[in-house]
Amino acid sequence: SQQGEEDPQALSIQEGENATMNCSYKTSINNLQWYRQNSGRGLVHLILIRSNEREKHSGRLRVTLDTSKKSSSLLITASRAADTASYFCATAPLTGTASKLTFGTGTRLQVTL
Amino acid sequence: DAGVIQSPRHEVTEMGQEVTLRCKPISGHDYLFWYRQTMMRGLELLIYFNNNVPIDDSGMPEDRFSAKMPNASFSTLKIQPSEPRDSAVYFCASSPQARAQYFGPGTRLTVL
Repeated sequence: SQQGEEDPQALSIQEGENATMNCSYKTSINNLQWYRQNSGRGLVHLILIRSNEREKHSGRLRVTLDTSKKSSSLLITASRAADTASYFCATAPLTGTASKLTFGTGTRLQVTL
Repeated sequence: DAGVIQSPRHEVTEMGQEVTLRCKPISGHDYLFWYRQTMMRGLELLIYFNNNVPIDDSGMPEDRFSAKMPNASFSTLKIQPSEPRDSAVYFCASSPQARAQYFGPGTRLTVL
């Protein structure tokens, strides 16, 4: 099964609301990354959080990491229609090369006006 | 910087034909990755290179798939012979060490 499993699989909210998506993983990690994919496009890196960090912010994005629970969450505040996309978490292993990411199954976010 | 460049963007071919996908990574990036994305299997890592050397090809589905990186600015993924189940979007990504990966726009492959 996938190293990262996102929850929920799909999320529909109205513009201005906050969107929260979760990622669970199985093995110890070096870092965890979140990516966005717009329909028909490549993935775009959003944020990277290292295993010794608990929270990180970037603009309207807030990422938390709980290594004891092997989980992470991505919060998008004050969502906009342009945030409509699929969001993926990706984990870099603690052992071996940290460059080899394993991607989760993704959360499809729909933001309506 | 133009970002990661992939060609072609779309490829339609018939079963049994050879398919070659091309990638130009971002200059200065040490790592290059090839992924395949399908609805059923999600995003799968096929192979990755470090400084032009293949490091891990455990994701390559079978011998019909091969990848090369003759220099730091070019890589190819070849499928020979192609089969309908190879239909997918193939992404190339590059990365400067163990950090964020930068993805190309992808090649949508359809094998009839």
